[in-house]
Amino acid sequence: AQSVTQLGSHVSVSEGALVLLRCNYSSSVPPYLFWYVQYPNQGLQLLLKYTTGATLVKGINGFEAEFKKSETSFHLTKPSAHMSDAAEYFCAVSDPRNNRLAFGKGNQVVVIP
Amino acid sequence: KAGVTQTPRYLIKTRGQQVTLSCSPISGHRSVSWYQQTPGQGLQFLFEYFSETQRNKGNFPGRFSGRQFSNSRSEMNVSTLELGDSALYLCASSSDSTSYEQYFGPGTRLTVT
Repeated sequence: AQSVTQLGSHVSVSEGALVLLRCNYSSSVPPYLFWYVQYPNQGLQLLLKYTTGATLVKGINGFEAEFKKSETSFHLTKPSAHMSDAAEYFCAVSDPRNNRLAFGKGNQVVVIP
Repeated sequence: KAGVTQTPRYLIKTRGQQVTLSCSPISGHRSVSWYQQTPGQGLQFLFEYFSETQRNKGNFPGRFSGRQFSNSRSEMNVSTLELGDSALYLCASSSDSTSYEQYFGPGTRLTVT
């Protein structure tokens, strides 16, 4: 079974500062990994994904994440936070053999002007 | 292409009643998954349908059921509602059962009183 750990439910970051959201996963098979963002009263939007190949993946809105197998991690970063980045972010893992996503608890990001 | 649509967006029901939620996937997508999102438990997988067959099922009681029609539209039903069933129910579609990109709808907010 797959599982994801995201520490720190609320993350505050100053506008223009680095955004770093940590994600560690557990999987019995080589995983597919995802980051989703959720704005208030909306569904989930895919930010980026790792399936195979290059371990540094770039997504939308300037976000990127690096898959580190040795550390079982898939941390999300953005060099410079913008006010529009305020949202909830979820890391998810799936078994490549099916569509079942296992999500972390999420990080609520607050951007301070 | 139109995105995933879910109806209704908001619903208020009384304990003991039953409810049916509807999801229309992106045109051409044959896989539909359902997730429950609550503040306490986070995002949890309910089930996945592909070509009118349930392919995966999460750890929810039998009160939660679903089905998929030949046009890939899906419904989920919750019988004998409990207060704890209050949640945002999200539907996601993907092109096939092993596709790694799931597209989420805006969700149905169910409140049980």
